[in-house]
Amino acid sequence: GENVEQHPSTLSVQEGDSAVIKCTYSDSASNYFPWYKQELGKGPQLIIDIRSNVGEKKDQRIAVTLNKTAKHFSLHITETQPEDSAVYFCAASTGGFKTIFGAGTRLFVKA
Amino acid sequence: KAGVTQTPRYLIKTRGQQVTLSCSPISGHRSVSWYQQTPGQGLQFLFEYFSETQRNKGNFPGRFSGRQFSNSRSEMNVSTLELGDSALYLCASSRTGGGDYGYTFGSGTRLTVV
Repeated sequence: GENVEQHPSTLSVQEGDSAVIKCTYSDSASNYFPWYKQELGKGPQLIIDIRSNVGEKKDQRIAVTLNKTAKHFSLHITETQPEDSAVYFCAASTGGFKTIFGAGTRLFVKA
Repeated sequence: KAGVTQTPRYLIKTRGQQVTLSCSPISGHRSVSWYQQTPGQGLQFLFEYFSETQRNKGNFPGRFSGRQFSNSRSEMNVSTLELGDSALYLCASSRTGGGDYGYTFGSGTRLTVV
């Protein structure tokens, strides 16, 4: 069946460094790719998203890139700060009431 | 505007009992999805409702059921609770179905089965 693979499962970086999380999807009909951040004790929060007709999107320190040919998309966080520490989930949606989430990446930003 | 409200926040139940969880979506959102989150399994999709109709269902046993009311509020029910049902249950709402404009999640209900 369709799935989304997410790597790495855990990522530890020094404050100020960049962090990259990568996802691969299997369903070529996927056309919407959101990223969610989940802080301790809270539900996931949508932080950035990209659609299949766009290759890259930026919002301040975060950016997402999409390679439809390779079925890869990535989250890039620059100048990481301790408050970026959280679990990040990628997802792929085909519309038609089907969104599939990756397994999550736990990001630690060391001060 | 108010976010997604889930009640109760915490629940302790005994094996064999049943439980009902509630979710009130953002005003104007017609879709409600339910997810189970456990430490080793990430976000597991339970089901999605749109305009009172179940539109998609995950791979969970029939003990897990849900419904949506005309005001878009949703409930999920788990019968004959098992220890493995202990998890954080998350509700997510969206204006349209399928999450293809993103979901807004609630803070979840943490269910502990003893």
